Amino acid sequence: DAGITQSPRHKVTETGTPVTLRCHQTENHRYMYWYRQDPGHGLRLIHYSYGVKDTDKGEVSDGYSVSRSKTEDFLLTLESATSSQTSVYFCAISESVRGETQYFGPGTRLLVL
Amino acid sequence: AQTVTQSQPEMSVQEAETVTLSCTYDTSESDYYLFWYKQPPSRQMILVIRQEAYKQQNATENRFSVNFQKAAKSFSLKISDSQLGDAAMYFCAYRTTATSGTYKYIFGTGTRLKVLA
Repeated sequence: DAGITQSPRHKVTETGTPVTLRCHQTENHRYMYWYRQDPGHGLRLIHYSYGVKDTDKGEVSDGYSVSRSKTEDFLLTLESATSSQTSVYFCAISESVRGETQYFGPGTRLLVL
Repeated sequence: AQTVTQSQPEMSVQEAETVTLSCTYDTSESDYYLFWYKQPPSRQMILVIRQEAYKQQNATENRFSVNFQKAAKSFSLKISDSQLGDAAMYFCAYRTTATSGTYKYIFGTGTRLKVLA
């Protein structure tokens, strides 16, 4: 299994509070991705990174920011959490030189009350 | 923009039988990759099979095979000799090249497969 961990695995927070989710990899892969999974929507890309300090937006980036200061860590921040951001969040990594597979972390379940 | 469509929200198959899950996509690219992922109740995403668009031969992994029709933009997954452990949500995914030259993935909404004993 690819070495990907996510922390925390579960979190309950209140509307308006900031939340940071962490993704850590030990594979030294170039690409890292953040997705959210909601019933009826599959996985939707929030943000992704293609190198240290290199990031780009996905299809549902509003209300989220990311940072990648080291190859192994990719942080997702909800600046002011809303109930619509209640979801399961997945991190994924890929070398993506020639379409290599994405490997996924175990997911983080976030509940915003 | 590229899209991935899975038109079957749920399917059932009898144990030991064969089932086919459908996936269609829309793209103007000529070189791309397609994937099927399995998500069991544990929520872990597991790669089932991968297809490179420039390869005409359909990918196969043990009991799993695909029917890749590039002109029709169709990428279906066939599961033979279905087992109880195949019960899961299955996602079709497409790797696209962004305008920046970087790579990102688009997922379908998933098909929940039930396996009946």
